[in-house]
Amino acid sequence: DVKVTQSSRYLVKRTGEKVFLECVQDMDHENMFWYRQDPGLGLRLIYFSYDVKMKEKGDIPEGYSVSREKKERFSLILESASTNQTSMYLCASSRNPSGRREQYFGPGTRLTVT
Amino acid sequence: GQQVMQIPQYQHVQEGEDFTTYCNSSTTLSNIQWYKQRPGGHPVFLIQLVKSGEVKKQKRLTFQFGEAKKNSSLHITATQTTDVGTYFCAGSLYGNKLVFGAGTILRVKS
Repeated sequence: DVKVTQSSRYLVKRTGEKVFLECVQDMDHENMFWYRQDPGLGLRLIYFSYDVKMKEKGDIPEGYSVSREKKERFSLILESASTNQTSMYLCASSRNPSGRREQYFGPGTRLTVT
Repeated sequence: GQQVMQIPQYQHVQEGEDFTTYCNSSTTLSNIQWYKQRPGGHPVFLIQLVKSGEVKKQKRLTFQFGEAKKNSSLHITATQTTDVGTYFCAGSLYGNKLVFGAGTILRVKS
């Protein structure tokens, strides 16, 4: 049973803080993704990684960075959190090829920046 | 960039009525996937369509991929309260990156 876990379900941070969101998958998937979900906007891709230490920008990478030091772990970093980054953050993983294989999602982290 | 448009944004139906959500792309897709997200949950994969004109069924759910591979639909027959949630389509141009639609929120009145 594929499992994608995220470090927190709920997080409250202050403006300007550095925020780390962690994601771990246990199925040896090559690809990992970070999305943010906002009402009416669906799932927007922030970054994805197709291999260890490899990353590509998604549609909305500004204000975010990522790290993938191990195959099972993909971290999203908000260098200096701002209120417009208040959102639900979803991590996902998949096998190759990434556009043709189903994505498995984690439970999400609801981040509030005050 | 590639865009996938999904309509309607929201639909409220009486239990037992049918429901359809539509997905449209300006470019030809290599494949399309559908996901369901229950309230408070995360998206869960339902199905993938690859062939032009393909139709697949899962119990009361019927999925179609258009002949031109630019549109897709999900139809639910005789909705039940267990069908509530948000339905997302996600298309891929070359089999590399998935682009998600904005989703259709389904509410069912019992």
